[in-house]
Amino acid sequence: DVKVTQSSRYLVKRTGEKVFLECVQDMDHENMFWYRQDPGLGLRLIYFSYDVKMKEKGDIPEGYSVSREKKERFSLILESASTNQTSMYLCASSSSGQYGYTFGSGTRLTVV
Amino acid sequence: EDQVTQSPEALRLQEGESSSLNCSYTVSGLRGLFWYRQDPGKGPEFLFTLYSAGEEKEKERLKATLTKKESFLHITAPKPEDSATYLCALFTGTASKLTFGTGTRLQVTL
Repeated sequence: DVKVTQSSRYLVKRTGEKVFLECVQDMDHENMFWYRQDPGLGLRLIYFSYDVKMKEKGDIPEGYSVSREKKERFSLILESASTNQTSMYLCASSSSGQYGYTFGSGTRLTVV
Repeated sequence: EDQVTQSPEALRLQEGESSSLNCSYTVSGLRGLFWYRQDPGKGPEFLFTLYSAGEEKEKERLKATLTKKESFLHITAPKPEDSATYLCALFTGTASKLTFGTGTRLQVTL
């Protein structure tokens, strides 16, 4: 069964910490995405990548960075976590937009 | 700018009470419309893809339809296990990105 795996289901971090969220897919997909999901706001795109070492800003990139050193792995980095980054983070991958996305199970991040 | 709107925001049904969820959109060129189901605390799971007006897809109690302006997710005789948030998403050919609606939260009670 094809999978997108996010390394943590729940994380609690302190304000100012550097936080790494990891995502691995086993489908050989070119495209990978990071979203955050908040009540009433839906899914908002943070960053995406369409190839190794390539990245594009989404709609809300401020306070985040990403890394894609290998095709199967896409990491989201919070350089200095803040309480307004408390959210559900979802990783997705896709071979092409016309086939939709496969999502990971999500990481619920709480910054205290 | 591409826009997608889902309605209602929330829907409460009794078991067996059929209804429809709506996804209306304004895009320059639709190349795919997707329906996902999301359970609390989990990632969205793929349900259907629709590519052209008039197309229909079915799976168990769910049926998705597409027109040039909107899509409907019809739920026939729902059960409590159908309770979830249902997300609609569009693909218009821009960098493999999907545009998501904010979802309809469905609760089915006994």
